[in-house]
Amino acid sequence: GNSVTQMEGPVTLSEEAFLTINCTYTATGYPSLFWYVQYPGEGLQLLLKATKADDKGSNKGFEATYRKETTSFHLEKGSVQVSDSAVYFCALSRSTLGRLYFGRGTQLTVWP
Amino acid sequence: DVKVTQSSRYLVKRTGEKVFLECVQDMDHENMFWYRQDPGLGLRLIYFSYDVKMKEKGDIPEGYSVSREKKERFSLILESASTNQTSMYLCASSPGTGSGSGRRYNEQFFGPGTRLTVL
Repeated sequence: GNSVTQMEGPVTLSEEAFLTINCTYTATGYPSLFWYVQYPGEGLQLLLKATKADDKGSNKGFEATYRKETTSFHLEKGSVQVSDSAVYFCALSRSTLGRLYFGRGTQLTVWP
Repeated sequence: DVKVTQSSRYLVKRTGEKVFLECVQDMDHENMFWYRQDPGLGLRLIYFSYDVKMKEKGDIPEGYSVSREKKERFSLILESASTNQTSMYLCASSPGTGSGSGRRYNEQFFGPGTRLTVL
């Protein structure tokens, strides 16, 4: 079946540190991959996406590369800020109906 | 911008009550979804709908039902609320198949969530 596994949190970093949140997936065929972010008290927002192998999604300094050979889509940022503190969800979609399969989320806290 | 709104941010109900959670989207999206979010479990799909009056069960439909009488509105119904349904409920919508920004990528747009407490 379709599933997403992401690293468990919480992750705590100092401002300007390098961030990696690991995400691997199981799916048949060629899924689309997403990272969503949820700021405190809010719903989820799309952070970035990639639709085919070797695509790199990027937004707000975050990047993730769709690696089919390792079935991974790790999220990275070179220098985190306090405002990046949020919960990050990795997700995949295999259907044109738009159904998403989510990982369990990773809580990130950035200290000044 | 796509806007997905949910009728309440916070709701407190008693065990056994019938509860309605409403979701409205303003972008003419075909697909709508209801999730619940619990710590350590992430988002779990309850029901989704790909057209008016159509519905499909998600991963955890037990104890819930849905209604989609109009394209823009998708309601989640707890027929008899129980304490284990205390959770954050998130609604989302996405474009259907076809051309246009976002459709090909199945991007979902989320509402702010309703935090439901059942006492």
